[in-house]
Amino acid sequence: DTAVSQTPKYLVTQMGNDKSIKCEQNLGHDTMYWYKQDSKKFLKIMFSYNNKELIINETVPNRFSPKSPDKAHLNLHINSLELGDSAVYFCASSQAASFVLAAQETQYFGPGTRLLVL
Amino acid sequence: GENVEQHPSTLSVQEGDSAVIKCTYSDSASNYFPWYKQELGKRPQLIIDIRSNVGEKKDQRIAVTLNKTAKHFSLHITETQPEDTAVYFCAARFQGYSTLTFGKGTMLLVSP
Repeated sequence: DTAVSQTPKYLVTQMGNDKSIKCEQNLGHDTMYWYKQDSKKFLKIMFSYNNKELIINETVPNRFSPKSPDKAHLNLHINSLELGDSAVYFCASSQAASFVLAAQETQYFGPGTRLLVL
Repeated sequence: GENVEQHPSTLSVQEGDSAVIKCTYSDSASNYFPWYKQELGKRPQLIIDIRSNVGEKKDQRIAVTLNKTAKHFSLHITETQPEDTAVYFCAARFQGYSTLTFGKGTMLLVSP
């Protein structure tokens, strides 16, 4: 159950602070993602990385900066936190970005980081 | 970009009844359609998926159907149980991209 892990699980912070969330996957996957789930449970893709390279960057404020030191890790740094950043952030991974086999498409989610900005 | 509409937003059934959740997608080039289940406070987990070259797929009590012409796909749960209570998300992947576009979710409540 620790295939995709995130830290911290909970994060409570003040507006204006800078914080980081870490994600690690031990599945040997090439592609990792960050999703934001708001209070209405809507899941929205933020970023996608393949082999440490950014491949998708949805319309996300540039206060959010992902960093992938290696293909097993994808961290998310957030500058100048705002009230609207409060949400659950999920990391996910899949085997590949270009899908040949159906099994490669399955995305595995981490447990989520519950961020509350006060 | 891809747009996925999901209905209903909430669904209450009695244990043993069937439940159906429907999704429509906008991009006819989409070719992969997974369904995720998210229990309260937990992570989304894949329960079943279907590719565009298949019309139906079944796994025990759950099944997914795909109508490419109409651009809609549905999740069917038979003999529902209280442990099926969760939020269910449909998603679609535009061909050539790795990211999924999710529907807004359906809160399924199964009452004993």
